[in-house]
Amino acid sequence: GESVGLHLPTLSVQEGDNSIINCAYSNSASDYFIWYKQESGKGPQFIIDIRSNMDKRQGQRVTVLLNKTVKHLSLQIAATQPGDSAVYFCAENLYYGGATNKLIFGTGTLLAVQP
Amino acid sequence: DGGITQSPKYLFRKEGQNVTLSCEQNLNHDAMYWYRQDPGQGLRLIYYSQIVNDFQKGDIAEGYSVSREKKESFPLTVTSAQKNPTAFYLCASSTSVDSYSNQPQHFGDGTRLSIL
Repeated sequence: GESVGLHLPTLSVQEGDNSIINCAYSNSASDYFIWYKQESGKGPQFIIDIRSNMDKRQGQRVTVLLNKTVKHLSLQIAATQPGDSAVYFCAENLYYGGATNKLIFGTGTLLAVQP
Repeated sequence: DGGITQSPKYLFRKEGQNVTLSCEQNLNHDAMYWYRQDPGQGLRLIYYSQIVNDFQKGDIAEGYSVSREKKESFPLTVTSAQKNPTAFYLCASSTSVDSYSNQPQHFGDGTRLSIL
């Protein structure tokens, strides 16, 4: 399949370990954040989101942490599986006023799960 | 199954040719978006549409055009004016674009455009 990104930061973990993927966002006015997973040759798949009035949200095997003080977002994946291997990237939502908002996407981190 | 369908999966463009990428959604979403993805870069917004018969330029609209004649469809034309069209093109949709009811954008599986 095609690579969705060359020279991306890579996180290599053993199957069964927990993974933590980090993201620094750019704008303190951003009010909504999303994590996506992208497998090679496919479109991004929604994983989990969090609003700025929260600092933690949990899903199935995933947890997102938001630290607004340092503009940092992290995605924790419990008991990482080979099927979790993909590029993960965060997106921040910036409201531009009226009826317009935009998502700003990070470049991504490649998660490589070793069996 | 509800979702976003992009076609074709692979597309080749000759010099001076316009090509059109299809995006159809059956999620009943109001807003639709086109992004371009290049290796090592984040997704960049080309055009977006909040309602039928209305669309707005994104950050890199030059060399592209869109239409939104139906809620379900948001085709993107890559014109000959786009000098570096080789990229992975992604279409997305969402239920809302206002700041009070944020919803994630959902993506299709992309079209890879290459130059012959």
